[in-house]
Amino acid sequence: EKVMTQSPATLSVSPGERATLSCRASQSVSSKLAWYQQKHGQAPRLLIYGASTRATGIPARFSGSGSGTEFTLTISSLQSEDFAVYYCQQYNNWPPTFGPGTKVDIK
Amino acid sequence: EVQLVESGGGLVQPGRSLRLSCAASGFTFDDYAMHWVRQAPGKGLEWVSRISWHSGSIDYADSVKGRFTISRDNAKNSLYLQMNSLRAEDTALYYCAKDHDSSGQGLWYFDLWGRGTLVTVSS
Repeated sequence: EKVMTQSPATLSVSPGERATLSCRASQSVSSKLAWYQQKHGQAPRLLIYGASTRATGIPARFSGSGSGTEFTLTISSLQSEDFAVYYCQQYNNWPPTFGPGTKVDIK
Repeated sequence: EVQLVESGGGLVQPGRSLRLSCAASGFTFDDYAMHWVRQAPGKGLEWVSRISWHSGSIDYADSVKGRFTISRDNAKNSLYLQMNSLRAEDTALYYCAKDHDSSGQGLWYFDLWGRGTLVTVSS
């Protein structure tokens, strides 16, 4: 089972600032990496798949990069609605596995 | 409206059974593989099970294999999870999730989630 790690655990950012979240896989997952956003009390929402492709309806301020074992989610200018927990997930190998999440909160 | 609505959760004693349901609407249900994903209180996400569009291919996480059974009824646009021999560690919010890929086998990432149904296993 591929183990996913995320850093930092918590990221404190001011509205309008840039946020950079990291995800690392224990072994290569190629580009089969997805990012999800989960707001408190809500279901996760798909943001990015294929490491860098935005899902339908996702604003351009969200971007993903990386391949192999190192991945990054960047939020270029944080809006109030972006404060949430972000999970990465690999789907290169069974079983699909999620990282523990990065909480983005207001500085 | 494109949505998934789970039901069937509740409080159950260890060793007992529970059946979860998920009603799908707004998309061609039988085009897609479907999954169950769970989230223990205050914890992260754990994939539980997948079923292909025609039920011909089914997978389970090791943590539930032999105890849980996934099924679907395409005529009713519904997904199910039969959970037997429940344990305290099965306590979680269970989400129904749609695979992104329309080939029917799935690519194992999820572009539509329900709001979840809470299962609490406790004596």
